Amino acid sequence: RKEVEQDPGPFNVPEGATVAFNCTYSNSASQSFFWYRQDCRKEPKLLMSVYSSGNEDGRFTAQLNRASQYISLLIRDSKLSDSATYLCVVNIGYGGSQGNLIFGKGTKLSVKP
Amino acid sequence: DADVTQTPRNRITKTGKRIMLECSQTKGHDRMYWYRQDPGLGLRLIYYSFDVKDINKGEISDGYSVSRQAQAKFSLSLESAIPNQTALYFCATSDPGTGQQETQYFGPGTRLLVL
Repeated sequence: RKEVEQDPGPFNVPEGATVAFNCTYSNSASQSFFWYRQDCRKEPKLLMSVYSSGNEDGRFTAQLNRASQYISLLIRDSKLSDSATYLCVVNIGYGGSQGNLIFGKGTKLSVKP
Repeated sequence: DADVTQTPRNRITKTGKRIMLECSQTKGHDRMYWYRQDPGLGLRLIYYSFDVKDINKGEISDGYSVSRQAQAKFSLSLESAIPNQTALYFCATSDPGTGQQETQYFGPGTRLLVL
């Protein structure tokens, strides 16, 4: 089983739609969780961290289920500018040599007019 | 100016050539990383450095070497390039002082083609 798995998509949605991405991780000792966004041919950039209690940033809501080792990202009222690849990222440890990020392969979102 | 810069941005080279990709950062971060990204494979860690005297192999270090010349500079070398090293290479930095929410900041990438 791969360490971080995501549905590769693509997700093709109309403007204004609500879309949800899911991600599962295999290492139960994972410490922290993130969603990164990557535009075509650009570098990944942090979209938001994911906290155990769930967190929201404008139209974006991230949730974590540690028992199921599952992370989600919900985008409401999709905009054309949301078109990108969304990377699920897990930190398998804290500090020292284990403080590295494991990236999922990404889910591609295309928002159409 | 960008906080993390990479040079060159694009490079075409031939099999067997030695090339160096350079990364500089002005964020003052101790930790630096080199990744490669291939279509369908996502980002994979090549090497990482937690300070100037610390170098660690990542998931796919074979065929690569690195040098941490200073806190701000981390270079990646391909001693003898081969076609399957054709990829998009990213440098990243992070600050361990941010604890469990340690975020990595990426450079713009170097697109490498090995013929």
